[in-house]
Amino acid sequence: SQQGEEDPQALSIQEGENATMNCSYKTSINNLQWYRQNSGRGLVHLILIRSNEREKHSGRLRVTLDTSKKSSSLLITASRAADTASYFCATSERNRDDKIIFGKGTRLHILP
Amino acid sequence: DGGITQSPKYLFRKEGQNVTLSCEQNLNHDAMYWYRQDPGQGLRLIYYSQIVNDFQKGDIAEGYSVSREKKESFPLTVTSAQKNPTAFYLCASSIVRGGAQETQYFGPGTRLLVL
Repeated sequence: SQQGEEDPQALSIQEGENATMNCSYKTSINNLQWYRQNSGRGLVHLILIRSNEREKHSGRLRVTLDTSKKSSSLLITASRAADTASYFCATSERNRDDKIIFGKGTRLHILP
Repeated sequence: DGGITQSPKYLFRKEGQNVTLSCEQNLNHDAMYWYRQDPGQGLRLIYYSQIVNDFQKGDIAEGYSVSREKKESFPLTVTSAQKNPTAFYLCASSIVRGGAQETQYFGPGTRLLVL
């Protein structure tokens, strides 16, 4: 079963530009999380936003959550080559407390 | 140095063979998970466990088995019944706060290849 769906599937931008990725989901959630995965590695947690929160910041990352539209966005400002990775959203569904469900991810490529 | 480890990094399986992937964590997390990732795809849940001696099937459990005899360890066996085992396998652990899933911490993964 898949809950989150990221958009776009792939994104290429110039270094220094901002990158925006979106995630849509289908059911009510407890929280939504964003993860990064470098090629051939495990996932690294970036940020968690709870259902009663609308925006969170962490360094160059900004996450928004719109529960009425069942969507979230991840903004990376002033992108760097090291930001090249796949980015996944994952949702903890309400009434399904035992697991989180990952989307298929957005592949971000930062061009030098 | 707390974390979650997986071994081996690469594993080769012969047809008809069972192989076991190791996952260990020293984060004192109650919950542990196994995911399968195919090229260019997201993560699909194989099995998960929220407490010692208990585990549940995920979305693609057929052909896999697990055990949770210790809090720190959650090994995954890929059995001969799994006909398409070539994939990247990721183990994760987390705390569960107030019934809701919190941050998951991932190991570095094991890449399984079929000979």
